[in-house]
Amino acid sequence: DQQVKQNSPSLSVQEGRISILNCDYTNSMFDYFLWYKKYPAEGPTFLISISSIKDKNEDGRFTVFLNKSAKHLSLHIVPSQPGDSAVYFCAASGGVNTDKLIFGTGTRLQVFP
Amino acid sequence: ETGVTQTPRHLVMGMTNKKSLKCEQHLGHNAMYWYKQSAKKPLELMFVYNFKEQTENNSVPSRFSPECPNSSHLFLHLHTLQPEDSALYLCASSLEVTGNTIYFGEGSWLTVV
Repeated sequence: DQQVKQNSPSLSVQEGRISILNCDYTNSMFDYFLWYKKYPAEGPTFLISISSIKDKNEDGRFTVFLNKSAKHLSLHIVPSQPGDSAVYFCAASGGVNTDKLIFGTGTRLQVFP
Repeated sequence: ETGVTQTPRHLVMGMTNKKSLKCEQHLGHNAMYWYKQSAKKPLELMFVYNFKEQTENNSVPSRFSPECPNSSHLFLHLHTLQPEDSALYLCASSLEVTGNTIYFGEGSWLTVV
């Protein structure tokens, strides 16, 4: 049973436009959410996180939104740049498994000129 | 330079070989992890070490044997692996086990032939 789901395996966006990556979760006990970015042949790099006490966290071009009632979070990248092309992983932790990060399967973002 | 260093970056081994993956973190963290990244599957947690003590073994087969001599070093000993064990193995660390951002190494690509 996959507790963290990224239903879109890929996304293609034009440079300068907004990229929206989505993530759904099923465990209402999750209270900490993260986004990681992964380039080919490299390990994931931490991008941005959000605690369940917030509904928005912004860091430069990256904003994460959390909708607890819908058990949904999204990552907005604006404006998108070609260097943002990578696989983005959503992750969550909390509840009885506070020491475990549960990852989604990832969404491959391609930003074209 | 990444704070989490993994060697080797690429490894090809036969099913009867014994090899080891090495991880070193320079971040002063107390928790270290092994993850497995297979194609089209979520990132899978394998082992968790907290202050050199193993706190989680996520039902990993015994052909994978972790070793954590100190908080800065983590090994994954490999013995009689199978072709389906071919994957990217990621080491990671965090300041503490609970609710912290995890920082990943670049990974070790393993191919079992």
